[in-house]
Amino acid sequence: GEDVEQSLFLSVREGDSSVINCTYTDSSSTYLYWYKQEPGAGLQLLTYIFSNMDMKQDQRLTVLLNKKDKHLSLRIADTQTGDSAIYFCAEGGFDSSYKLIFGSGTRLLVRP
Amino acid sequence: NAGVTQTPKFQVLKTGQSMTLQCAQDMNHEYMSWYRQDPGMGLRLIHYSVGAGITDQGEVPNGYNVSRSTTEDFPLRLLSAAPSQTSVYFCASSPLAGSGGVETQYFGPGTRLLVL
Repeated sequence: GEDVEQSLFLSVREGDSSVINCTYTDSSSTYLYWYKQEPGAGLQLLTYIFSNMDMKQDQRLTVLLNKKDKHLSLRIADTQTGDSAIYFCAEGGFDSSYKLIFGSGTRLLVRP
Repeated sequence: NAGVTQTPKFQVLKTGQSMTLQCAQDMNHEYMSWYRQDPGMGLRLIHYSVGAGITDQGEVPNGYNVSRSTTEDFPLRLLSAAPSQTSVYFCASSPLAGSGGVETQYFGPGTRLLVL
């Protein structure tokens, strides 16, 4: 079945770059998403990428997609303490962009 | 706009009890869904609805019922709670995307449920 995997934990120093990785199995996925969850809150969409793109940049965020290896990454430049949260990778299909398969989440800790 | 609201924020149930988790949105979104989030796991889709009167099962529907009588409300019912249903429940809504489009899902703040 469909599966999305992420590493559980990442710790970086404030000001450094963070790279959060994700692998997925469904080759028919059309959209790949990154969500952020702060403590006690719901999920917030950070960015998404279409499967026919290799890269998408949005201010401090860079998404890289390697469709051949089914690997997605999120790079956060100049990481701040406010970026500490859990980051979820998710995949969705062409006609079901709202029926998402989520990874287990990566907890990012930013040290001062 | 209040966005997506969920009540209650926290609930403790005994095994076998029933309850309804409420979800409402004031954005006139067609699509609504319920997810559960368990420790060390991502969100898993329980049920979803693409409009009033239309519901369908997600990845983990067993033990849950839903209905969608209005666009605004999408309650989730637990008919006979079990400890395995201890989880955090999130409701989400979005407009239906046009062909080839994608729409942001808006998530509620969650309901934390403990079944003893």
